[in-house]
Amino acid sequence: DAEITQSPRHKITETGRQVTLACHQTWNHNNMFWYRQDLGHGLRLIHYSYGVHDTNKGEVSDGYSVSRSNTEDLPLTLESAASSQTSVYFCASSKPGLAGGSVNEQFFGPGTRLTVL
Amino acid sequence: GENVEQHPSTLSVQEGDSAVIKCTYSDSASNYFPWYKQELGKRPQLIIDIRSNVGEKKDQRIAVTLNKTAKHFSLHITETQPEDSAVYFCAARAPGGGADGLTFGKGTHLIIQP
Repeated sequence: DAEITQSPRHKITETGRQVTLACHQTWNHNNMFWYRQDLGHGLRLIHYSYGVHDTNKGEVSDGYSVSRSNTEDLPLTLESAASSQTSVYFCASSKPGLAGGSVNEQFFGPGTRLTVL
Repeated sequence: GENVEQHPSTLSVQEGDSAVIKCTYSDSASNYFPWYKQELGKRPQLIIDIRSNVGEKKDQRIAVTLNKTAKHFSLHITETQPEDSAVYFCAARAPGGGADGLTFGKGTHLIIQP
């Protein structure tokens, strides 16, 4: 069955280290997104991509980067991890909307719990 | 950018009663309003969505209403059951700039009392 997966599911790292979180989907969806979830803030958009070689900044992109070299994967990199980046990270994907601005359902991965010490 | 406010943050209802969660949004151009349910330790899952050309949508015990003039939308759950206990998030999508990313409310923790 088609699905969206994230790895690792749990990660503990130290301040200043580079960390990469993986996201892989087998639906062949063009659109992919990264969100972080924090208590009291809900889900906030970090970066998103509409297709190969396309990346865009979201609401809370500082300190994060993404790359899209193929349709299936959108890895999220924390260049120099900070304690403020301790969070649960969710990847999501969706089919592209039709012309006229329509939107399709976003499917979420299982999440990665990241702790920065 | 879009701003979504969600109320209440916690809602406790007796099993069998109805629950209503309300959200307001700021960008009048927003055209898509999904509701996600998230159980403890799990991923958010879409339960119902509504588009700006529709005022109400129903799916069994769940309904969503949209008032574009007032810029608010609500989730209604009737005949609540223990398995409805979860955190519910509303979201809105504003099409400006080509972004499909959603702006979420901060969530409502729904507790169903037996």
